Amino acid sequence: EPEVTQTPSHQVTQMGQEVILRCVPISNHLYFYWYRQILGQKVEFLVSFYNNEISEKSEIFDDQFSVERPDGSNFTLKIRSTKLEDSAMYFCASSLTGEGTEAFFGQGTRLTVV
Amino acid sequence: GNSVTQMEGPVTLSEEAFLTINCTYTATGYPSLFWYVQYPGEGLQLLLKATKADDKGSNKGFEATYRKETTSFHLEKGSVQVSDSAVYFCALSVGTGGFKTIFGAGTRLFVKA
Repeated sequence: EPEVTQTPSHQVTQMGQEVILRCVPISNHLYFYWYRQILGQKVEFLVSFYNNEISEKSEIFDDQFSVERPDGSNFTLKIRSTKLEDSAMYFCASSLTGEGTEAFFGQGTRLTVV
Repeated sequence: GNSVTQMEGPVTLSEEAFLTINCTYTATGYPSLFWYVQYPGEGLQLLLKATKADDKGSNKGFEATYRKETTSFHLEKGSVQVSDSAVYFCALSVGTGGFKTIFGAGTRLFVKA
């Protein structure tokens, strides 16, 4: 069964460093997303991406964040200068179309900023 | 705006007990509704979905019915197992451009043998 793949599963970084989280969405999907879940809290939407551009972003997704689809398969989230409060589980998701279809989630990358 | 409210946990049940986790939503437009499950240390898995009023989603013995009149999508299971212990998230998807998924806070379920 096709699945969304995220790497790495766990990343530890020092405050102020840049990190790139990587995702390979399901191959025929058109919509891509990043979500974040701070430990023990709700899953929060960060950004959606369609047709090679951001279609929506939340207030969490400030200038420190960026997304890119550098080739036909990868979808990345970059945090330019990490802060302690960026420590969270980051989930990538993809969906075939928009309304009415479910998003398929990856296993997540646990980011720890020290 | 769009939001999901679900009952707070944790919910602790004995094996073979009946489970209900309440979920209500607010949405502009006509949402699709989902239940996702997160087992310990794992990612989010879709459990079931419903895309229009009166639809019943079902999977692995879990059921939920899309009730437009009460804006609810309560999750039920007739007989829970220890392996059902997880966090359950009610969610909705609605929108024009991004079709993002909006999650409730999650309800942790513990099932005792």
